[in-house]
Amino acid sequence: DTGVSQNPRHKITKRGQNVTFRCDPISEHNRLYWYRQTLGQGPEFLTYFQNEAQLEKSRLLSDRFSAERPKGSFSTLEIQRTEQGDSAMYLCASSLRETGTGDYGYTFGSGTRLTVV
Amino acid sequence: AQSVSQHNHHVILSEAASLELGCNYSYGGTVNLFWYVQYPGQHLQLLLKYFSGDPLVKGIKGFEAEFIKSKFSFNLRKPSVQWSDTAEYFCAVNPYGQNFVFGPGTRLSVLP
Repeated sequence: DTGVSQNPRHKITKRGQNVTFRCDPISEHNRLYWYRQTLGQGPEFLTYFQNEAQLEKSRLLSDRFSAERPKGSFSTLEIQRTEQGDSAMYLCASSLRETGTGDYGYTFGSGTRLTVV
Repeated sequence: AQSVSQHNHHVILSEAASLELGCNYSYGGTVNLFWYVQYPGQHLQLLLKYFSGDPLVKGIKGFEAEFIKSKFSFNLRKPSVQWSDTAEYFCAVNPYGQNFVFGPGTRLSVLP
């Protein structure tokens, strides 16, 4: 499968624990995005990387959240001291953005569903 | 505030009925426009996209969308829906130099 891969698919954790999700984008895509989706809502932007550089972080991303893309390939999203309000689907997407043309559209992964109990 | 709105939260149709889902955005500059679909239990998939040129865009599975710049709209249409079109549909706007912003989604239920 050459699409965007996310692991794990589901994660159940106790409040206060730390969790880490992984995203493997399409290899030739230079941009990687993290979004969060709650029931009945559209995806909300969290952060994105161009290659290994984290270029933007949403105000939704509190200091308990951190994302990395160390070699410009896969990315990890860590949530520290999880809260029940963190329960959501965490989506990763990748895209190829070319100067002057904009974005050709995201390819999404299947997401990681986080449940904080 | 800049935003993307979708007119209907939930649409219920019978098979073979025609579909139109509304999408409006409030960005004033150049934008790329997209419709994504999320079938039950599956990930978001791109239905169609508009960058420039002919404002009537054709996508997969018989869907099309029309960009009306003066109305800041990008409505999704399908002449005859099928039960398999039951899904959630998201409009997304990509203003130049900014990230995607998604609408809240419209849930489509097609009755057999």
